[in-house]
Amino acid sequence: NAGVTQTPKFQVLKTGQSMTLQCAQDMNHEYMSWYRQDPGMGLRLIHYSVGAGITDQGEVPNGYNVSRSTTEDFPLRLLSAAPSQTSVYFCASSYGTSGGSVQFFGPGTRLTVL
Amino acid sequence: DAKTTQPNSMESNEEEPVHLPCNHSTISGTDYIHWYRQLPSQGPEYVIHGLTSNVNNRMASLAIAEDRKSSTLILHRATLRDAAVYYCILIEAGNMLTFGGGTRLMVKP
Repeated sequence: NAGVTQTPKFQVLKTGQSMTLQCAQDMNHEYMSWYRQDPGMGLRLIHYSVGAGITDQGEVPNGYNVSRSTTEDFPLRLLSAAPSQTSVYFCASSYGTSGGSVQFFGPGTRLTVL
Repeated sequence: DAKTTQPNSMESNEEEPVHLPCNHSTISGTDYIHWYRQLPSQGPEYVIHGLTSNVNNRMASLAIAEDRKSSTLILHRATLRDAAVYYCILIEAGNMLTFGGGTRLMVKP
């Protein structure tokens, strides 16, 4: 199993540009989520999905869109990038949403917005 | 989610045991205690979790206080590869991971 994969690894954008961060998992996990991590900080939840066709907002959803058309993929879209969105983005997946569910994280995408 | 309190940093010598504490005085009866760690420039990695009883796996042990208001992650023999930020997180069913500041573990050779 490849686990959770993310592309690209690095990206530089100009203010106002749009882009999509890709996330895929091959573990048939129902639950997927996106986090951002600013320098020296813990992760903060952006959006999550409990299954195909179902998404919901996390702690910091503004400026980001998501959709979940398949179990495997959960892309994160930045509609109009801003310098405040410079961060490292992590995608995660888990089998379920019970308190005992273990989350698996991808390697991250480092995004810089100029 | 209930909050956790961890020391900002700890230091250990290589091949010695490490005890990483976590206080969670407002834990509810259905909160699971999870530990994740994040190595430099990597995504978080699951370490261990438990509900009421102590737990062991190949990576670590989790000791949970009888009143569940605190827990301790035990690395039996620290290696240089264990240098990371360790996060103690409480999770209730249907809720998401909420990361605090964690404990930065430094391992000296």
